[in-house]
Formats: sequence, C-alpha cells, structure tokens
Amino acid sequence: DTGVSQDPRHKITKRGQNVTFRCDPISEHNRLYWYRQTLGQGPEFLTYFQNEAQLEKSRLLSDRFSAERPKGSFSTLEIQRTEQGDSAMYLCASSPKGLTYNEQFFGPGTRLTVL
Amino acid sequence: QKEVEQNSGPLSVPEGAIASLNCTYSDRGSQSFFWYRQYSGKSPELIMFIYSNGDKEDGRFTAQLNKASQYVSLLIRDSQPSDSATYLCAVKDSGYALNFGKGTSLLVTP
Repeated sequence: DTGVSQDPRHKITKRGQNVTFRCDPISEHNRLYWYRQTLGQGPEFLTYFQNEAQLEKSRLLSDRFSAERPKGSFSTLEIQRTEQGDSAMYLCASSPKGLTYNEQFFGPGTRLTVL
Repeated sequence: QKEVEQNSGPLSVPEGAIASLNCTYSDRGSQSFFWYRQYSGKSPELIMFIYSNGDKEDGRFTAQLNKASQYVSLLIRDSQPSDSATYLCAVKDSGYALNFGKGTSLLVTP
C-alpha cells in the first residue's frame, strides 16, 4: 500500500515532555499538510509544505510546535513542553503537484495523550 | 473567521433510503469543496470533491454545489449500514488549507 503513513500511531506522554511525529506522504506527492483533530471537531489546519518549503502556518501553531520537511519527502512535527490541551489526533495529508483542486489524502493519524 | 457549518446530527435513515447531508460556508471566495467520510477512531477518507455549480455524481454519491447560496450537499442513495459514519464538509479558498466543518453523524439502520 502506498498511502500516507504516520508514526507512531499512538503516543502517551507526560506534561512537559517533548514529542515528535513522522509523516511519509504518498510517493511523488510534493504537498504535505498537518492538521489536528479533537473529539467532536473537524480537522484544524496547522501547516503546509510544498516540497521542502513551509509555505503556510496557522496561528494555532504556537512556538512550541515546529515542523520540518528537510528533503521534501517525509515530514516531522515536534511539540515541545507538551500540555494537556495538546491531546488530540495529529493528521498528516498529502496531495500531488499539478492538481488545481487540492484533493488531500489523509494518513491514519497519531493519537497523542498528554497526562 | 471563515466558517463551515454542518448539522451535527445524528441523522438517522433506514437502509435503502437517500441520506442528505448539508453544509454551508461563509467565504464567498471559496473555490473547491470536499466531502470526507470518517469512521469512529479512523482518519478522514475523501469521498468526493466539487468545484462548479451543479451536481456531480460518483456511484451512489452525488455532490451538489450552489455558490450563490453558499451551500454544498452530499446525497447518498441506497444507504447501507456501512455508510454509518461522520461526514465532514471541507472548503478550500485561495490558500492551501482545507477548512472543515464539525461533521454530521449519519446512522443507517437495517
């Protein structure tokens, strides 16, 4: 299967710890997105990469959050000094270059629980 | 604040009936519109997208768009119990992000 993959699928951490998530997009997709989803809500946009360039960041992405896509392939999302409010599903999506309508295909997500 | 509104439901329909899911959006500059299906505990799965006024059909699914009324809908014909899920409406403006509604919970009863 060549869909979007995310690792880990689940992460439990204590408040104040740092966590890092990885996303591998669909092969040859040059656009990559991070979203966060909490119970009962739709996904909320966090950030967007086109190749290795981070082109858009939501105001939701506080200075404790950082994302990278160093070689334009996989991406990492790091949360420093985690807080209980960071508990959510972190979703990665990708879309191929050249499409006008920006169809985004989601990975399985990483569920973060901050104790 | 760009808003995407959906009735949270649950919308309950009997098996074999047509399920109608609705979504309104506030940004008149919105360019394309997406419907995602999300099963409990899973990630969103793209069902359909539409970008011009009118209807777009794909199998049992029909998306309808009315930009003047800022309204998009999803019809599911011959609903099956396996269609029971939360349906998320997402809207894209001139940027890169999708702006999602909170979703409508659909329950198809046998």
